Amino acid sequence: DQQVKQNSPSLSVQEGRISILNCDYTNSMFDYFLWYKKYPAEGPTFLISISSIKDKNEDGRFTVFLNKSAKHLSLHIVPSQPGDSAVYFCAARGSSGTYKYIFGTGTRLKVLA
Amino acid sequence: ETGVTQTPRHLVMGMTNKKSLKCEQHLGHNAMYWYKQSAKKPLELMFVYNFKEQTENNSVPSRFSPECPNSSHLFLHLHTLQPEDSALYLCASSQDWGLAGDEQFFGPGTRLTVL
Repeated sequence: DQQVKQNSPSLSVQEGRISILNCDYTNSMFDYFLWYKKYPAEGPTFLISISSIKDKNEDGRFTVFLNKSAKHLSLHIVPSQPGDSAVYFCAARGSSGTYKYIFGTGTRLKVLA
Repeated sequence: ETGVTQTPRHLVMGMTNKKSLKCEQHLGHNAMYWYKQSAKKPLELMFVYNFKEQTENNSVPSRFSPECPNSSHLFLHLHTLQPEDSALYLCASSQDWGLAGDEQFFGPGTRLTVL
């Protein structure tokens, strides 16, 4: 059973608008979350993270929101640019036991010019 | 060279072949990882090495054999693979295994096809 789910395999957004990518998790012990971006023929690159002690983290055009009660996080990209077109993965882990990250299946974002 | 590099980028092998994947990181990190990404599946952690010692083996079949001679190099030795092992194999590194807030840096991956 997948502990981290990205239920939207793809998303198309107009340039300049907001992109919202969603991620749900089932394990309440997860306390650290990452977003990665992946272009074709490249490895994933780290984008932004959030710890469970926060509910929001911002870095330029990228903001991650965490709703612990709903076990849900989202990545907002504002304004979206064509160069943001990529696959976005969320990942989660706990801070005890195994430290391995559990990844979602990814959402392919296409930003239309 | 900077970051995490992987060779070869593409590999086609028969089920009776033996081949190796190589990963090198130039970031001064202490932890290195092998991940497998199959089509439409999430990244699956295979192995973790921290300070050259294997700390995680995620129930990986013995036909995959990792080797970490030093903190900068990681190998994945492959033998008698099955067609279902065809996937993208990603190497990653991070400062330390288990460090709070420790993100992983990925290589470009090796696209493996087993015939």
